[in-house]
Amino acid sequence: QVQLVESGGGVVQPGRSLRLSCAASGFTFSTSVMHWVRQAPGKGLEWVAVISYDGANKYYADSVKGRFTISRDNSKDTLNLQMNSLRTEDTAVFYCARERMGALDYWGQGTQVTVSP
Amino acid sequence: QSALTQPPSASGSPGQSVTISCTGTSSDVGGYNYVSWYQQHPGKAPQLMIYEVNKRPSGVPDRFSGSKSGNTASLTVSGLQAEDEADYYCSSYAGSNNHWLFGGGTKLTVL
Repeated sequence: QVQLVESGGGVVQPGRSLRLSCAASGFTFSTSVMHWVRQAPGKGLEWVAVISYDGANKYYADSVKGRFTISRDNSKDTLNLQMNSLRTEDTAVFYCARERMGALDYWGQGTQVTVSP
Repeated sequence: QSALTQPPSASGSPGQSVTISCTGTSSDVGGYNYVSWYQQHPGKAPQLMIYEVNKRPSGVPDRFSGSKSGNTASLTVSGLQAEDEADYYCSSYAGSNNHWLFGGGTKLTVL
């Protein structure tokens, strides 16, 4: 069955960096468009970034553009999110998700990122 | 990139129907048929309930239905059941550099 497992979350100081990963299994990762979505404590969902199946095209929310980089390794079925210059407002649960037919049909369980002085 | 507009709360008694709206613009909800709805129970990951405005993934009860008129999409839950109590989020493709938008979420309470 489809599985997405995020890792790499933790507590970090403002201005520092963190790299999240999402291990995919149970489907053909190399032909799938993948997203990162985050959810701040007690808040709604916020789209973060998307990457095409081959990694050639990447798009970001304005709130993270220039600080976050989405990437993928199709040889390892892994999606990544490099987060630099972290801010307290980046504190959230980060989910990776697969896109199918214009929707996110499978989500991981999420990984907590806390940015605190 | 403004979030789509949803009512913060909705409620209904078991067996009743409830409709949740999601208002955007002609650049997102009104411009594309890539509107989807997600259910999220506390502490859990979101689950896809509706895609492409009105299609249900396998396993989603037919009590859940979606529609769209102009810049507003709607999710209707018929025959409310206790397990339907959750947060619901709409989402839309927003074009321009392949951006996606989410609504602020609606907390559905089954009375």
